[in-house]
Amino acid sequence: EAGVTQFPSHSVIEKGQTVTLRCDPISGHDNLYWYRRVMGKEIKFLLHFVKESKQDESGMPNNRFLAERTGGTYSTLKVQPAELEDSGVYFCASSPRGGAMNTEAFFGQGTRLTVV
Amino acid sequence: GEDVEQSLFLSVREGDSSVINCTYTDSSSTYLYWYKQEPGAGLQLLTYIFSNMDMKQDQRLTVLLNKKDKHLSLRIADTQTGDSAIYFCAERPSGGYNKLIFGAGTRLAVHP
Repeated sequence: EAGVTQFPSHSVIEKGQTVTLRCDPISGHDNLYWYRRVMGKEIKFLLHFVKESKQDESGMPNNRFLAERTGGTYSTLKVQPAELEDSGVYFCASSPRGGAMNTEAFFGQGTRLTVV
Repeated sequence: GEDVEQSLFLSVREGDSSVINCTYTDSSSTYLYWYKQEPGAGLQLLTYIFSNMDMKQDQRLTVLLNKKDKHLSLRIADTQTGDSAIYFCAERPSGGYNKLIFGAGTRLAVHP
């Protein structure tokens, strides 16, 4: 069974450009999460989808970030326009249906974004 | 506020035990986790402990939880070079789902 996959693995863009990150969760997982680790600091929660609906987007930094999960399958995270402080590693995770009884979220390898 | 603190770096000799410490702030957290990130890889769940437990052992790994002090530790017995990685502590506040609060990670270096 395939794990959580993220594309691309690395992206280098110029300030002001647009970048779209993609996450394919484990098949059948209703819950999908985006996290970000900036400059060796803590990994911070960005948002959470349950199927195609945004359950919690309290961690989204600002309106330059747009996340979608059309059809409740894969998700995209678009940054437009990108700023230097957006550089970091963006992780996606998924977990099956249900809340409190799920003990594990499965993480992808992350996308390393560098804005120059 | 929500904050998970860990020391940033630990160096141990191969064969010794490693102890990585973590403090968290949310006393309502239901689960506490240790994730491992090897170079170029994603986050791998190592182990977790439910908040009503104070110890969990899994082969070479021992997790200790002091709920009163909000202190979590991970002990790796007989540390090997393959254990070299970044170890993240995370708490999961009550309310369900897997919205985790992570620390900044502890980089474990194992030398001969």
